[in-house]
Amino acid sequence: NAGVMQNPRHLVRRRGQEARLRCSPMKGHSHVYWYRQLPEEGLKFMVYLQKENIIDESGMPKERFSAEFPKEGPSILRIQQVVRGDSAAYFCASSPSQGEQYFGPGTRLTVT
Amino acid sequence: GENVEQHPSTLSVQEGDSAVIKCTYSDSASNYFPWYKQELGKRPQLIIDIRSNVGEKKDQRIAVTLNKTAKHFSLHITETQPEDSAVYFCAASSNYQLIWGAGTKLIIKP
Repeated sequence: NAGVMQNPRHLVRRRGQEARLRCSPMKGHSHVYWYRQLPEEGLKFMVYLQKENIIDESGMPKERFSAEFPKEGPSILRIQQVVRGDSAAYFCASSPSQGEQYFGPGTRLTVT
Repeated sequence: GENVEQHPSTLSVQEGDSAVIKCTYSDSASNYFPWYKQELGKRPQLIIDIRSNVGEKKDQRIAVTLNKTAKHFSLHITETQPEDSAVYFCAASSNYQLIWGAGTKLIIKP
């Protein structure tokens, strides 16, 4: 059973471009969470999704950020018109239900 | 809403000694308390968790204790080894959302 997969592992974007981060949950997991982590800091919750539904997006900025988890395919976190402050590690986690979360390797976004 | 405080922010112990990290939470409805270990540049990994119907759980050198009355829980690592060096995060949850502590950087001195 493969773990949580994320790609790309590293992403470099210029200011104003779009960033697309993908997350494939563990097999059998229908709950996906996205977190953001700045260097030397903790994890900040962004959004919680189930298949085709956004359950809680209270941690996600209202502008430029969006997330989806379609019926088929990975969950996607999209950041439009990136700015330098978006540079961070973005982790995805999945769980089979409400409880233990298993993390992917993260995507390190660098905005130049 | 829930708030989780974690102490200390940095902990340095001699190899072979024990390490204890403490967390307090504010929401009495919280019923799930996981601990994660994050090595530099890597993903957080679940190392142990406890639910509110249990007071203590042990897995080899790692143990977690929960005091529901006082609303605090602790991670205990015995016989520390160099590979225990990492940042440890506690979290608390009453539903789907984990509320995270700020992390403790554990340094194992040779």
